[in-house]
Amino acid sequence: EAQVTQNPRYLITVTGKKLTVTCSQNMNHEYMSWYRQDPGLGLRQIYYSMNVEVTDKGDVPEGYKVSRKEKRNFPLILESPSPNQTSLYFCASSLYGGTSGRGRFREQFFGPGTRLTVL
Amino acid sequence: AQTVTQSQPEMSVQEAETVTLSCTYDTSESDYYLFWYKQPPSRQMILVIRQEAYKQQNATENRFSVNFQKAAKSFSLKISDSQLGDAAMYFCAYRSGKTSGSRLTFGEGTQLTVNP
Repeated sequence: EAQVTQNPRYLITVTGKKLTVTCSQNMNHEYMSWYRQDPGLGLRQIYYSMNVEVTDKGDVPEGYKVSRKEKRNFPLILESPSPNQTSLYFCASSLYGGTSGRGRFREQFFGPGTRLTVL
Repeated sequence: AQTVTQSQPEMSVQEAETVTLSCTYDTSESDYYLFWYKQPPSRQMILVIRQEAYKQQNATENRFSVNFQKAAKSFSLKISDSQLGDAAMYFCAYRSGKTSGSRLTFGEGTQLTVNP
């Protein structure tokens, strides 16, 4: 079954304790991305990757790190979590859209979400 | 930078009735995609419908249809014959057709309640 998986689904931690949220996809997608969802703000992109070893910042990258050593995996790392990083996190993946929009729609598949609470 | 605005934080509808969710966006591009995503209590993000900006015809998927007004930069979602399973948070989203990658810009969301 084609899917994007995230682990853990729920996590409660304390300020400053490093954590990693894993993301894996089995669809051979080039593009992967992390979003955070907060009430009244919708989803905002944290980081994205267009292929192995190619990553770049999204709208809200502060306090986060990512790596893309393998095509299927795109972990999100919080080196020193703070309470303002309490949020719902989504990983997503798609085939690479390229630079031409017409006729090259690439649906983005989302993982099930990770609810993170930082105390 | 592109922005997406959903001005209705909450909406409600009676079962079997029709409801319209509003979305406006701002962009200087002419080539882009617009989407509506549904997020039920399970939190899963489900693509409901998409619209390519170069297509004048409004997209339709069963009971879901959009009213795409390109000049007004408006993209509303109409749900006909509402069902209890339609209750969810709905997000409007934008994707550029020119830039590389697949970045989505989301609106704030509209929480839809369906009353029996």
